[in-house]
Amino acid sequence: AQSVTQLGSHVSVSEGALVLLRCNYSSSVPPYLFWYVQYPNQGLQLLLKYTSAATLVKGINGFEAEFKKSETSFHLTKPSAHMSDAAEYFCAVKKKGGSEKLVFGKGTKLTVNP
Amino acid sequence: EADIYQTPRYLVIGTGKKITLECSQTMGHDKMYWYQQDPGMELHLIHYSYGVNSTEKGDLSSESTVSRIRTEHFPLTLESARPSHTSQYLCASRPTGYYGYTFGSGTRLTVV
Repeated sequence: AQSVTQLGSHVSVSEGALVLLRCNYSSSVPPYLFWYVQYPNQGLQLLLKYTSAATLVKGINGFEAEFKKSETSFHLTKPSAHMSDAAEYFCAVKKKGGSEKLVFGKGTKLTVNP
Repeated sequence: EADIYQTPRYLVIGTGKKITLECSQTMGHDKMYWYQQDPGMELHLIHYSYGVNSTEKGDLSSESTVSRIRTEHFPLTLESARPSHTSQYLCASRPTGYYGYTFGSGTRLTVV
């Protein structure tokens, strides 16, 4: 069965600092991988996705993530945090050709300090 | 901007009432989903649909039902609401062959 582990339920950075949100997955085959962002009282917005093309994926708002098969990781990074990045971030995995289920991690709440 | 709409955004209702949460999308997506979200927890899939007249239960045991009579509309119904149904319900959709799900803004349900 697939699972997603997001290390750190809360991450706090200073404005302008590097953002690193960690995601490790468990899957028998390389899956599709996603990062979503959720602002307060909003739904989820797709930041980026990995679907077996380039392992370094660039998304919206300056975020990127790198698929590392050997580490079963898909960490999300942004070189310089902005106040508007404060939100909750969810990593998700979907098995290729498998069920319709998108398996989510528990989320990481990012705080950006001025 | 997402073209998937959920109403109502917030709902407080008494135990035993029947409620329907609405979800509509204008993108012509054939696949639609309902997820349940609680604070600090994973989102859980409760229902999904491959297209008109197709509905399936997800992994999370749910006392809700869904219907898909039109491509754009995927309502979720609770016949008798209970306090344990208090949660946020998120609707999502995607076209076949594309794996970027579009989510609505959610309905936050409180059953008192």
